[in-house]
Amino acid sequence: EVQLVQSGAEVRKPGQSLKISCKGSGYRFSNYWIGWVRQVPGKGPEWVGIVYPGDSETRYNPPFQGHVTISADKSTATAYLQWSSLKASDSAMYFCARVKDDGDCFGSWGPGTLVTVSS
Amino acid sequence: DIQVTQSPSTLSASVGDRVTITCRASQSIGDWLAWYQQRPGKAPKLLIHQASRLEGGVPSRFSGSGSGTEFTLTISSLQPDDFATYYCQQYNSLRYTFGQGTKVEIK
Repeated sequence: EVQLVQSGAEVRKPGQSLKISCKGSGYRFSNYWIGWVRQVPGKGPEWVGIVYPGDSETRYNPPFQGHVTISADKSTATAYLQWSSLKASDSAMYFCARVKDDGDCFGSWGPGTLVTVSS
Repeated sequence: DIQVTQSPSTLSASVGDRVTITCRASQSIGDWLAWYQQRPGKAPKLLIHQASRLEGGVPSRFSGSGSGTEFTLTISSLQPDDFATYYCQQYNSLRYTFGQGTKVEIK
């Protein structure tokens, strides 16, 4: 069974850095793209970016490019989403999700990590 | 970038009703469209992929249709467990866009 376990809720001040994680199990981690999705409470999901753990290739949604960094460590089967300088507008729930075996939509999701940025 | 527009934003219905949600893409996406169900505080759950392919374990009352730019999600007979928010998502060349969502409420 595919499982994605995400790190716990985080509270930071504007300007601080943060790295959240998503650990995969139950499948060959290196072989499947893992995406990150942001959702502000009461709003629809937004795709942030995606990483292929096998070779660390990444692709970003343009509005997020340059503000976040997505990475993966296949030795620990963990994907990461990080910020070097958070803004209040980064406050949201962040989900990781794995693409399906037979298509590129997201068939398996983590439970989400709530990020709160407040002074 | 490809935009997707979902309608309606809210839908009030009763148990047993037939419900249809529409998603329109800003350009042709073939059949690269998925539908998700999301309950409060939970991650989205994949219902339909490639426009009409039912995900394993999803009840057969859910169906999807369409191609190109016009797509629909139909729930043939609404059940109590179906009151939730539904999102369409286009996925093309590992780039993704979600619709704004349709909240299905109890009438």
